[in-house]
Amino acid sequence: DSGVTQTPKHLITATGQRVTLRCSPRSGDLSVYWYQQSLDQGLQFLIQYYNGEERAKGNILERFSAQQFPDLHSELNLSSLELGDSALYFCASSVSERGSDTQYFGPGTRLTVL
Amino acid sequence: KNEVEQSPQNLTAQEGEFITINCSYSVGISALHWLQQHPGGGIVSLFMLSSGKKKHGRLIATINIQEKHSSLHITASHPRDSAVYICAVTLSTDKLIFGTGTRLQVFP
Repeated sequence: DSGVTQTPKHLITATGQRVTLRCSPRSGDLSVYWYQQSLDQGLQFLIQYYNGEERAKGNILERFSAQQFPDLHSELNLSSLELGDSALYFCASSVSERGSDTQYFGPGTRLTVL
Repeated sequence: KNEVEQSPQNLTAQEGEFITINCSYSVGISALHWLQQHPGGGIVSLFMLSSGKKKHGRLIATINIQEKHSSLHITASHPRDSAVYICAVTLSTDKLIFGTGTRLQVFP
């Protein structure tokens, strides 16, 4: 158990809908990272937040947004969903803002868009 | 060409064999990570390297910054080592780029 929690575990929705994925980092960790893992693209970095502020941005679509709240939990919002958004979404946390720190991964949320 | 390349893509071994997985990258990095993803999907960080060599149990990771290459070695492999091993690099912008992974199966 990494100490990182993600909810929900599974999410099934329809094209055009909007969903919110939630991540709670390990106690004491200030950084939260979001990743997408699809069958054809592998793991891709989406975005990093550190202590409430956006720190680094990867291949995140404009239809996706994220935020980190004062209690350090983070949410990833996916809107106008398309079939291709079906994937595993992981969050990870680390102590500092450096991407070179060890990251602790949550169990993932499996999103299926029908 | 991907910025992070792993080889082999698939690897089959007999229990007890010594295993090597390679990772080459073409960009400047601040760190390199080795991750393990089990069939259930969970990801565990095995190593974070910026230079030299690290060892944890039967796992050894090395990095050669000049050659832009890293290896992950598993000694005395065991069926429970069966997983996908993923190499990832951290750029100076703190963005991470992942390799496509090496699927390892160890048979008794």
